[in-house]
Amino acid sequence: AQKITQTQPGMFVQEKEAVTLDCTYDTSDQSYGLFWYKQPSSGEMIFLIYQGSYDEQNATEGRYSLNFQKARKSANLVISASQLGDSAMYFCAMREVNTGGFKTIFGAGTRLFVKA
Amino acid sequence: DVKVTQSSRYLVKRTGEKVFLECVQDMDHENMFWYRQDPGLGLRLIYFSYDVKMKEKGDIPEGYSVSREKKERFSLILESASTNQTSMYLCASTQLIAGEKDTQYFGPGTRLTVL
Repeated sequence: AQKITQTQPGMFVQEKEAVTLDCTYDTSDQSYGLFWYKQPSSGEMIFLIYQGSYDEQNATEGRYSLNFQKARKSANLVISASQLGDSAMYFCAMREVNTGGFKTIFGAGTRLFVKA
Repeated sequence: DVKVTQSSRYLVKRTGEKVFLECVQDMDHENMFWYRQDPGLGLRLIYFSYDVKMKEKGDIPEGYSVSREKKERFSLILESASTNQTSMYLCASTQLIAGEKDTQYFGPGTRLTVL
C-alpha cells in the first residue's frame, strides 16, 4: 500500500492566487514527521516546510502553510499569492520515527504551473 | 549553507559499463542517501549510510552498490549498467537526531542515460 499519496499529477494556478496541493499518508506509527519539498526544473530538491505529528498548530513558512488534519491523515500544502517562480514539482514526504528508521518516504509528486 | 554536490549533472553510458556517481557534502553530516527519481514514482531510496563504512539497503538496491570511505563522500556504483537504470539520481545528507525532524539536503541530481 502506498504510504504517501499525491492525487494531483499536475495543477494550474493563476499568478497571485492561492493553491492547495493535496497529500494523504498512511502510518500506524504514533510519531512521525511530514515534509514538503520543491523541485524546480534545475533538479535540486528544496525543503519547504515541516509538520510534526504532535504539533498542535499548522506549520507556516512565509507563503507556505501546511494544512494538517491528523484524523484524516492529510497534510496539504497551501501556497498563498502564487508567483511564477513557484512553477515546479512538489513532493510530500513522511518519516516514521519509531518504525521507519532512517527512511523518508516520498509521494509521486505534483507538478504546479503558475500562469501569468 | 549546506552544500551537497554531485560529480556530474548529465551522464551517458553504455550497457554493461561500470558507472560511478559521486556525492560530497560539506556539513559534516552523519547520514547520506542515494535516491532515484522516476516520473510517477517519486523518489525511491537505493542505499543509505549512517557512518563511514556503514551502509544499509533501501527499497531498490538491486543492481547497485555503494561506498563510503570518508564521512563527506558517498559513492553509488552501478556494477554493470542496464537500460532500466536510466533515471535521475539524487544524493542527500542529513544530521539525523532520533525524534527530530529530518530535513534532508539534496544535491542537484545526476541524469543518467544508459544506451
